[in-house]
Amino acid sequence: DAGITQSPRHKVTETGTPVTLRCHQTENHRYMYWYRQDPGHGLRLIHYSYGVKDTDKGEVSDGYSVSRSKTEDFLLTLESATSSQTSVYFCAISERVPTNYGYTFGSGTRLTVV
Amino acid sequence: AQSVAQPEDQVNVAEGNPLTVKCTYSVSGNPYLFWYVQYPNRGLQFLLKYITGDNLVKGSYGFEAEFNKSQTSFHLKKPSALVSDSALYFCAVRDMNNNAGNMLTFGGGTRLMVKP
Repeated sequence: DAGITQSPRHKVTETGTPVTLRCHQTENHRYMYWYRQDPGHGLRLIHYSYGVKDTDKGEVSDGYSVSRSKTEDFLLTLESATSSQTSVYFCAISERVPTNYGYTFGSGTRLTVV
Repeated sequence: AQSVAQPEDQVNVAEGNPLTVKCTYSVSGNPYLFWYVQYPNRGLQFLLKYITGDNLVKGSYGFEAEFNKSQTSFHLKKPSALVSDSALYFCAVRDMNNNAGNMLTFGGGTRLMVKP
């Protein structure tokens, strides 16, 4: 997963606490995405960004917010974590036109909300 | 709207036999199509893509996929399966005419189990 890193890789947090996941890229790609992966649901888009300070909602955005203050960083925040947000979270990056690989994915963050 | 369906949650095949993982899509225009593979505790990795040109696309690890516009399908194939091919496979599509966020839509994934 060269060029894109997610942190932390694993996190356990308590219900009601805020959590921030970080995605960092070194590819200077314009587009960045946050997905969650759950059994039986595949990958579902949470939020995406099409430039610095330009973000939009995906299909499962409730309970999540994002920020992108620099090209290389895209942060996902769970304002008040709930057990239903226990999941594996993937960040992805993309050029304007998916001429090569479509997306490049990070290695994921496994979040457990107890 | 664009969508992808992977009708099989799991495909079982014996090592050495041919394998097929099915994918059908729906877009309003022409599609960009992708297959990704996910090994345990890893992110998704690119396998192959169809953008334009030949309907038979060859990709990594001996995989290939056939684009069939009339059946709106993009099935993943391999002539001889290996145990190491066991993984989770995702099909994805983007409508060429959909500029909203450059987004891919993913299928639900198919788990491939190759038995010795």
